[in-house]
Amino acid sequence: GAGVSQTPSNKVTEKGKYVELRCDPISGHTALYWYRQSLGQGPEFLIYFQGTGAADDSGLPNDRFFAVRPEGSVSTLKIQRTERGDSAVYLCASSIRSYNEQFFGPGTRLTVL
Amino acid sequence: TQLLEQSPQFLSIQEGENLTVYCNSSSVFSSLQWYRQEPGEGPVLLVTVVTGGEVKKLKRLTFQFGDARKDSSLHITAAQPGDTGLYLCAGINAGGTSYGKLTFGQGTILTVHP
Repeated sequence: GAGVSQTPSNKVTEKGKYVELRCDPISGHTALYWYRQSLGQGPEFLIYFQGTGAADDSGLPNDRFFAVRPEGSVSTLKIQRTERGDSAVYLCASSIRSYNEQFFGPGTRLTVL
Repeated sequence: TQLLEQSPQFLSIQEGENLTVYCNSSSVFSSLQWYRQEPGEGPVLLVTVVTGGEVKKLKRLTFQFGDARKDSSLHITAAQPGDTGLYLCAGINAGGTSYGKLTFGQGTILTVHP
């Protein structure tokens, strides 16, 4: 079956702009995680959704970052007033439920100029 | 904040050599996972170790979880060019408000030359 998909694969934007990154999880997976991977680093946790609700957003770096999952499937990570330091690969992962194996998407590479 | 330290950060070896990657923490984890990540792709799970002292083998890869569940190692025997990639360890804490979120090490970039 289809894996986790993320769009766009690459996004180049200018400092101060708004961006949206989309994640389509594996069908039937109730748990969804967002991670951020900076160059040369391992992924860092951003936010976790169980169904439609954000159960843990403790990894969001500041209030410019926000994520939604309105119907419990597709999730969108939104970044306002982007900064050069936001440049990274944003990874989405889903699992059938929390604590089960997470399946990662290919990521969205965000570059803020 | 729990941290996982991986070493070495870079490893460049010749085909046929053996290697070991280490993953260490000052904190206890309920379980630990190893992932491999190729350029332009997300991490792919290789193994999960749960019990202190546990050893798991996956073909030429041997994974070990420390007795105190604070450290782990990945040993590759007779490395092949196809083993080239980024290897990541990740810890999980069970229960509470962990929700299974992963705490990753910084990764080891392995290059195996033919």
